[in-house]
Amino acid sequence: DTAVSQTPKYLVTQMGNDKSIKCEQNLGHDTMYWYKQDSKKFLKIMFSYNNKELIINETVPNRFSPKSPDKAHLNLHINSLELGDSAVYFCASSQALLAVLTGELFFGEGSRLTVL
Amino acid sequence: DAKTTQPTSMDCAEGRAANLPCNHSTISGNEYVYWYRQIHSQGPQYIIHGLKNNETNEMASLIITEDRKSSTLILPHATLRDTAVYYCIVRQKDGSEKLVFGKGTKLTVNP
Repeated sequence: DTAVSQTPKYLVTQMGNDKSIKCEQNLGHDTMYWYKQDSKKFLKIMFSYNNKELIINETVPNRFSPKSPDKAHLNLHINSLELGDSAVYFCASSQALLAVLTGELFFGEGSRLTVL
Repeated sequence: DAKTTQPTSMDCAEGRAANLPCNHSTISGNEYVYWYRQIHSQGPQYIIHGLKNNETNEMASLIITEDRKSSTLILPHATLRDTAVYYCIVRQKDGSEKLVFGKGTKLTVNP
């Protein structure tokens, strides 16, 4: 069983479209994250949810809207896609907030988004 | 921004120990050092973390200097599958719940 799974793995779309990436974890973790890795390979956090509550919201355009229907799922919806949104998006989870328990992050395999 | 400094790239012969250095001279007393790696086209993978003492697990050993200003990740018997980008991360001082990834070290294990 895959611990953190993301769908789709690849997504090619046109500028201006709206798309979603789904993430599910079966580890029973309380905290989930979205990270973005751009073409220069920098990995930057976007959002973090703990028990469905938004904890971290980095300086991300409000075209990006995370949604956590339950603590096992954190989906990322992107409106009005732009060329600069092309990147690999990684979902991750951890047992608890890092400040509470210095545990590890478990990452998914990534979703490669290409905006044409 | 990441508060760590790592070499951009390193090479290691298969079967030999790979020693990856990391400088974190501004680390504070309650900050942990984490190591992750990212194999090509995969998500990052946790390796090990530590505060003051040296740590060892099935993947690697972490050696932290006494002044905690630097650390070394040791892969005792590197294999070709250890070729990856290795990230040294210090959890941020402002109490933020995020791990900030820097540029990392690209380790290439050669046959």
